[in-house]
Amino acid sequence: KQEVTQIPAALSVPEGENLVLNCSFTDSAIYNLQWFRQDPGKGLTSLLLIQSSQREQTSGRLNASLDKSSGRSTLYIAASQPGDSATYLCAIISGTYKYIFGTGTRLKVLA
Amino acid sequence: EAQVTQNPRYLITVTGKKLTVTCSQNMNHEYMSWYRQDPGLGLRQIYYSMNVEVTDKGDVPEGYKVSRKEKRNFPLILESPSPNQTSLYFCASSFSRNQPQHFGDGTRLSIL
Repeated sequence: KQEVTQIPAALSVPEGENLVLNCSFTDSAIYNLQWFRQDPGKGLTSLLLIQSSQREQTSGRLNASLDKSSGRSTLYIAASQPGDSATYLCAIISGTYKYIFGTGTRLKVLA
Repeated sequence: EAQVTQNPRYLITVTGKKLTVTCSQNMNHEYMSWYRQDPGLGLRQIYYSMNVEVTDKGDVPEGYKVSRKEKRNFPLILESPSPNQTSLYFCASSFSRNQPQHFGDGTRLSIL
């Protein structure tokens, strides 16, 4: 059964720091992988989607990579800002339409 | 404005009283899905729908029903709610599994 793990569960960094969030999965037979952010009391906002044939995707200060063979994805945030404070979730999509989410990394960027 | 709308946002009810949480999207998305979010367990998929009249179970379907009679609507039905269904529920939609999901703002259900 596919399992998705995100480490660390929480992270606190000073403003301006570059940081990496990790997502690992146990079954490499994925269709694609998405990164989301969730603000308190809100739904999820999609950040990046990487298809299984791709290695990375970039949007502004965000870069997500995917290594299917090792079962890992990373989300790189450059020059972090207090507005980046949120919970970041990764989700894998299987060959059907099933989504499996990690439990998230709670990020706090200190001004 | 493109959005996924869930109603109600908050509901406190009692065991056994049937309830429906509505979900509507205005983006002509084919794919819709329901999730529940619980502390320590993350988001778990309840049911999903690939198109009108096509639905399938996610990881935690027990105690829930869904229907997809129209493309824009995907209601979640709890026929006989129990306290272990107290949770934060999210509806989401997308054009396909190759496209990002759009989420509603969530429905917080408390079942006493």
